[in-house]
Amino acid sequence: GAVVSQHPSWVICKSGTSVKIECRSLDFQATTMFWYRQFPKQSLMLMATSNEGSKATYEQGVEKDKFLINHASLTLSTLTVTSAHPEDSSFYICSAQTSSTDTQYFGPGTRLTVL
Amino acid sequence: AQTVTQSQPEMSVQEAETVTLSCTYDTSENNYYLFWYKQPPSRQMILVIRQEAYKQQNATENRFSVNFQKAAKSFSLKISDSQLGDTAMYFCAFLPTSGTYKYIFGTGTRLKVLA
Repeated sequence: GAVVSQHPSWVICKSGTSVKIECRSLDFQATTMFWYRQFPKQSLMLMATSNEGSKATYEQGVEKDKFLINHASLTLSTLTVTSAHPEDSSFYICSAQTSSTDTQYFGPGTRLTVL
Repeated sequence: AQTVTQSQPEMSVQEAETVTLSCTYDTSENNYYLFWYKQPPSRQMILVIRQEAYKQQNATENRFSVNFQKAAKSFSLKISDSQLGDTAMYFCAFLPTSGTYKYIFGTGTRLKVLA
């Protein structure tokens, strides 16, 4: 149980284009989903927290117009990187949490490369 | 501010031996949760073990156990009978029970199990 999927696992795009990453909780309903960014050999950096049906809460320094987050249902959240640039290249990880537990379950991550 | 410190950037252990990873944290809260996550080369974050601060008994999951010292704000992970598959990055995480349900991660310890 508690499986979270992410799609795509790897994406390469041209500078200036937008990329959408999906995060799904497969066997539970996630009232809260989190989006992280991880640079090589570093820890996870929280970007934003999203609750189903509400606007996402972004961490300080994260551009909300650049990283659009939509948590449309209890099993799906999406992160759209708009007008991507090479500096947006990174590993993006989502996690999901139910209202009845404190534990976050993580997706396998998405490697984004912007050329 | 709450912080999590993992003072060992890298460690190695011989297969079948025991290794202990350290984690300390700083908080003024009395109730919280602590976690150890494993991130193998695949980069999938996997929950290893979870501890509730109000429980004095140390959590155990098969070969993984913790030494939770609340007064010292210490939460070390012991891996017994180390296996090659334990090679991974290990992150300690703190979750306060008040406010938003956001993890605070340590910087990680890279563990290599040697054959």
